[in-house]
Amino acid sequence: KAGVTQTPRYLIKTRGQQVTLSCSPISGHRSVSWYQQTPGQGLQFLFEYFSETQRNKGNFPGRFSGRQFSNSRSEMNVSTLELGDSALYLCASSEGRDTQYFGPGTRLTVL
Amino acid sequence: QKEVEQDPGPLSVPEGAIVSLNCTYSNSAFQYFMWYRQYSRKGPELLMYTYSSGNKEDGRFTAQVDKSSKYISLFIRDSQPSDSATYLCAMGGTSYGKLTFGQGTILTVHP
Repeated sequence: KAGVTQTPRYLIKTRGQQVTLSCSPISGHRSVSWYQQTPGQGLQFLFEYFSETQRNKGNFPGRFSGRQFSNSRSEMNVSTLELGDSALYLCASSEGRDTQYFGPGTRLTVL
Repeated sequence: QKEVEQDPGPLSVPEGAIVSLNCTYSNSAFQYFMWYRQYSRKGPELLMYTYSSGNKEDGRFTAQVDKSSKYISLFIRDSQPSDSATYLCAMGGTSYGKLTFGQGTILTVHP
């Protein structure tokens, strides 16, 4: 099976802009979780979607949002970008229980 | 205090050495435990996964969980330069789709 794919791999934006990141899970996986990874904070959970429903959300401001489509593909959106949003954004897919498989990530730089 | 504590290292060992990586946690509700390996500019790769206390072996890797002490370890035998990476412990089971990660330990195996 193909692994988790994320697009784009790299993004450069300026403060105040918005960005949309995409994630395609492993075929058959219905759960997609998103994480932000920074050198200072490590990997932090953003939110999780299962069958198009957000089941869980981490402690991030409302500028961070997401959605999931009927084919399990997921997008996350960050509005009004801040310098501190520069990070590696990772998505992980799961059959819905526990083991998560990660994609390569999208590296976002905010200038 | 963080829910999961991991010694960030860095750890530098000669090829062939036995490596021990450790995490402690405070939340007794964690039900499953994982180790991921992350190469530079890549997504985390699942190495080991276990539910219960005790040892689990897979090739050169052994994962050990002690729920009574809230302590998990990963041992790497006959370490190779290709093992040089960041190792992340992760724990889950408290809420949908959320893994809680340690800060990661940077390992370098030199020839």
